[in-house]
Amino acid sequence: RKEVEQDPGPFNVPEGATVAFNCTYSNSASQSFFWYRQDCRKEPKLLMSVYSSGNEDGRFTAQLNRASQYISLLIRDSKLSDSATYLCVVNYNTDKLIFGTGTRLQVFP
Amino acid sequence: DTGVSQNPRHKITKRGQNVTFRCDPISEHNRLYWYRQTLGQGPEFLTYFQNEAQLEKSRLLSDRFSAERPKGSFSTLEIQRTEQGDSAMYLCASNNRRGQGNEQFFGPGTRLTVL
Repeated sequence: RKEVEQDPGPFNVPEGATVAFNCTYSNSASQSFFWYRQDCRKEPKLLMSVYSSGNEDGRFTAQLNRASQYISLLIRDSKLSDSATYLCVVNYNTDKLIFGTGTRLQVFP
Repeated sequence: DTGVSQNPRHKITKRGQNVTFRCDPISEHNRLYWYRQTLGQGPEFLTYFQNEAQLEKSRLLSDRFSAERPKGSFSTLEIQRTEQGDSAMYLCASNNRRGQGNEQFFGPGTRLTVL
C-alpha cells in the first residue's frame, strides 16, 4: 500500500464548478500536510499547508481529518487556470516529503 | 533569479554512460533535497543535505547513484552506468527550516532520457 494515496483522475469540470479531491495517508505519525500544484512538465509549487483546524485561501479550502487519516482540497468557482495536477504531501517531522501520485484536474470552458 | 536552479534542463544519454546533474539552491537555504519523478507519479525522495552533510538516503538510491554538496552550497547528483529505468525527472529542492510548515522550494528539474 502506498503511503499517500490519491485518485489520479482526471477530473474534467466546467468553469465555475466546485471540485473536491481527497487523499489518504497510512502513517498515523504524520505531522505536516500540504497540497502542491504541478503544471505540465513544471516543478511542484506549494499551494497551501493543511492545518488540523482546516484552512482557506481564497477559492481553496483544505481540511484534515487525523482520525480517518485523510486530507481534502476543495476548489470553488473553478478557473481555466486551475487546470493542473494537485499533489497531496505528508511529512513525518523528518525532512523528506512523501508525495501522492497526484490528481489531474482539467477545467473546460 | 533567486530561485532554485538546475543544470542541465535536459540530458539524453546512452545506456551505460555516466551523467552528472547540478543544483544551486536558494542562497540562504542550508537544506537541499533530491527527488525523482517518473511519468504519472509524484516525486520520490532520494536524499538530502544539511549544509555539506548528507543526512538521509532513500533505498531508491542504489550504489550507482552518488550525491555531494562539498561546500554546503551547490550539489551534484551523479548516476553511473545509466540504465533505461533511470529515465525520469530529477528535482532539487531547498529550504532552511524543518518541522511544520517547512515548505520546500523546487527547481525546474533535469529531465533524463536513457536510450
